[in-house]
Amino acid sequence: EAGVTQFPSHSVIEKGQTVTLRCDPISGHDNLYWYRRVMGKEIKFLLHFVKESKQDESGMPNNRFLAERTGGTYSTLKVQPAELEDSGVYFCASSQGTSGSEQYFGPGTRLTVT
Amino acid sequence: QKEVEQNSGPLSVPEGAIASLNCTYSDRGSQSFFWYRQYSGKSPELIMSIYSNGDKEDGRFTAQLNKASQYVSLLIRDSQPSDSATYLCAVNKWATGGFKTIFGAGTRLFVKA
Repeated sequence: EAGVTQFPSHSVIEKGQTVTLRCDPISGHDNLYWYRRVMGKEIKFLLHFVKESKQDESGMPNNRFLAERTGGTYSTLKVQPAELEDSGVYFCASSQGTSGSEQYFGPGTRLTVT
Repeated sequence: QKEVEQNSGPLSVPEGAIASLNCTYSDRGSQSFFWYRQYSGKSPELIMSIYSNGDKEDGRFTAQLNKASQYVSLLIRDSQPSDSATYLCAVNKWATGGFKTIFGAGTRLFVKA
């Protein structure tokens, strides 16, 4: 069974540009989460999808971040326009069953904004 | 006060010893608890989950939960150099729309050969 996959693995963009990150969850997992880890800090929750619906987006930093999960399969996270403080590693995780169940993480996308 | 607290370490133990990793959390309504292992530059890997008070054993790993004390720990028996990594404690607490996972900053473990 394939795990959670993310694309790209690395992205370097200039301030003001747009970047779109993609996450493909484990097949059959209705729950999809986005997290971010900034250098030296703990992993922070961004948002949670159940199928195509946003259940909780309280962790999204501001309206420059837009997440979608059309069709309840893969998800995208767009940052527009990117700022220097958006740099970090963006992780996606998925789980089946209830939202309290075990989550499995993808390899992450390292975003560098210069 | 952080919602999930861990000692940053590094915790250094000799090969074959027991490594003890600790975590405290602030929300008494927290329901489920997880330990992840993260190697440098890699993603977190789930190694243990625990939902009720007491001990849960899986191979060389034992998770311990004490909800009254708001404390969860991970014991690694017969530590190996390959266990050297950062161990993340994660706690699910109820939030709007379902459970939200809160991570600690992690404890770095170094197992000396």
